[in-house]
Amino acid sequence: AQSVSQHNHHVILSEAASLELGCNYSYGGTVNLFWYVQYPGQHLQLLLKYFSGDPLVKGIKGFEAEFIKSKFSFNLRKPSVQWSDTAEYFCAVGAMNRDDKIIFGKGTRLHILP
Amino acid sequence: ETGVTQTPRHLVMGMTNKKSLKCEQHLGHNAMYWYKQSAKKPLELMFVYSLEERVENNSVPSRFSPECPNSSHLFLHLHTLQPEDSALYLCASSQDLAGAYEQFFGPGTRLTVL
Repeated sequence: AQSVSQHNHHVILSEAASLELGCNYSYGGTVNLFWYVQYPGQHLQLLLKYFSGDPLVKGIKGFEAEFIKSKFSFNLRKPSVQWSDTAEYFCAVGAMNRDDKIIFGKGTRLHILP
Repeated sequence: ETGVTQTPRHLVMGMTNKKSLKCEQHLGHNAMYWYKQSAKKPLELMFVYSLEERVENNSVPSRFSPECPNSSHLFLHLHTLQPEDSALYLCASSQDLAGAYEQFFGPGTRLTVL
């Protein structure tokens, strides 16, 4: 089975700062990678996903993530954050094997100061 | 209604009560999930159903009892809960079980056990 780790548990940034949230996974086969976001009081929703092809994936609201296979990483980035990006961000890893369900990281709480 | 809905949104119950959480998905998906989300803990996968058949039970105490009468509905029956069971309970669905498919989440039920 796969595993996933998010190293930053709580990040505080000022508006217009650049963001990078780390995500590393462990799995011996082909993976599918996801970033989910949970805004305050709202449900978890998909931010972006990687299945194959271009390792640089663009998602909603100006977010992007880069899959680096050699580093087993899928870091989330945004060049200039906004106050509305305050939320909790979850990295998730899925495998093509139906026996291996999607595994979520512990999440990173992002707080943007106005 | 679209997406994944959950009722009730908030529930307060005593340790001797019996209550049920309901989840409904309007997406035509084949797989449904129950997660527990507690403060400072990662998302905990509780149960997985595929085409109404339970395929995973992650060592969840028997005071939680799931039911999936059809592919659109999922219930979580609660009885004799403990205060540490207080959490946000999330329902999700996906097209299929494999990790290639993103999960769509409901808004959750905020459960407080007194």
